[in-house]
Amino acid sequence: GAVVSQHPSWVICKSGTSVKIECRSLDFQATTMFWYRQFPKQSLMLMATSNEGSKATYEQGVEKDKFLINHASLTLSTLTVTSAHPEDSSFYICSADPGLAGVGDTQYFGPGTRLTVL
Amino acid sequence: GQNIDQPTEMTATEGAIVQINCTYQTSGFNGLFWYQQHAGEAPTFLSYNVLDGLEEKGRFSSFLSRSKGYSYLLLKELQMKDSASYLCAVRGGFSGGYNKLIFGAGTRLAVHP
Repeated sequence: GAVVSQHPSWVICKSGTSVKIECRSLDFQATTMFWYRQFPKQSLMLMATSNEGSKATYEQGVEKDKFLINHASLTLSTLTVTSAHPEDSSFYICSADPGLAGVGDTQYFGPGTRLTVL
Repeated sequence: GQNIDQPTEMTATEGAIVQINCTYQTSGFNGLFWYQQHAGEAPTFLSYNVLDGLEEKGRFSSFLSRSKGYSYLLLKELQMKDSASYLCAVRGGFSGGYNKLIFGAGTRLAVHP
């Protein structure tokens, strides 16, 4: 149980285009999902917390107009990188909180999406 | 401020025991997690401590001392497949009404024959 999927697993795009990444909890409902970014040889940096049916909460320094987050249902959150630039190239990982069904309230992570902006 | 420190790299021999330390200073504390992450993959949950003491799960154990802001992950009977990054994460702040996880930079462990 507690499986989280992400789509696509990798994407290459041209500078200036927008890219949408989907995060789904497959066998549980998640009122809260998290989006992280990880640069090579660095740790995960939380970008934003996504709550179903309400606006996302962004971490300091993360541009909400550039990284659009939508959490339309209890099993799906999307991250759209708008007007992507090469410096946005990174590994984007989502996680979902299964609530009381989880172990120690741990978050379960998706497999990640590798974004490369040319 | 928020600060989580762990060694950058460690090496160990197959079959041996290795201890990965983590010290933290956070504005709040509501649990400490250890995750394993292989290159290019997402982290997988290893252990969780919220009270002082040792938690054992098979070959992996994790220890917590809240008064010292200190934890360690102990890996026994090392196998080659244990070569990975190990992330220490503290649940200590609020983000969107939920305690967020703050990650350390990770410790890259290399297990050699």
